[in-house]
Amino acid sequence: QKEVEQNSGPLSVPEGAIASLNCTYSDRGSQSFFWYRQYSGKSPELIMFIYSNGDKEDGRFTAQLNKASQYVSLLIRDSQPSDSATYLCAVRPGRDDKIIFGKGTRLHILP
Amino acid sequence: GAVVSQHPSRVICKSGTSVKIECRSLDFQATTMFWYRQFPKQSLMLMATSNEGSKATYEQGVEKDKFLINHASLTLSTLTVTSAHPEDSSFYICSASFQGTGQPQHFGDGTRLSIL
Repeated sequence: QKEVEQNSGPLSVPEGAIASLNCTYSDRGSQSFFWYRQYSGKSPELIMFIYSNGDKEDGRFTAQLNKASQYVSLLIRDSQPSDSATYLCAVRPGRDDKIIFGKGTRLHILP
Repeated sequence: GAVVSQHPSRVICKSGTSVKIECRSLDFQATTMFWYRQFPKQSLMLMATSNEGSKATYEQGVEKDKFLINHASLTLSTLTVTSAHPEDSSFYICSASFQGTGQPQHFGDGTRLSIL
């Protein structure tokens, strides 16, 4: 059973600080990694994807991938109250495989 | 980015009614579409995967005769909830991708279904 694990939270972070969200996955051969944001009552929205080891930055967001440790993380710099949401980690084991979603981490940015 | 349109956004209907939800990929060819259900404060639950021109693959525990899926073209998939009952009330979300490329799945805005 291929799995994606996330801490459910809630993770509370002061406004302006760095929020760090973590995710581990079970299939060592996984190739594609995604972070989605889901506001309450809304559908998930893709915010980052990463395919290679290392860091990928996009604005205030940085995705980090460590395939040896089977670990992917999302950093949010200068956290804003509007970043409060559930963040879903998603992993595609192979090019033709369906994406497997974690259960999500609830992030709460404290004003 | 890729756009997936889902319609209707909200449905309220009586028990026993059948409800059809449409999912369209507007700017790319979606070889595969996925249907999810999400209850309040719970995680996404994959119901079925549909590939254009073939029968949908349902997840364990999902009744295929209850949730009819049609993926007739590379831009349109439909989910029909047949003879809906109050326990079918939920948030239904479709997503689409071009499989085999490693590309992400893109989600529609979801349909909130309320059965009275």
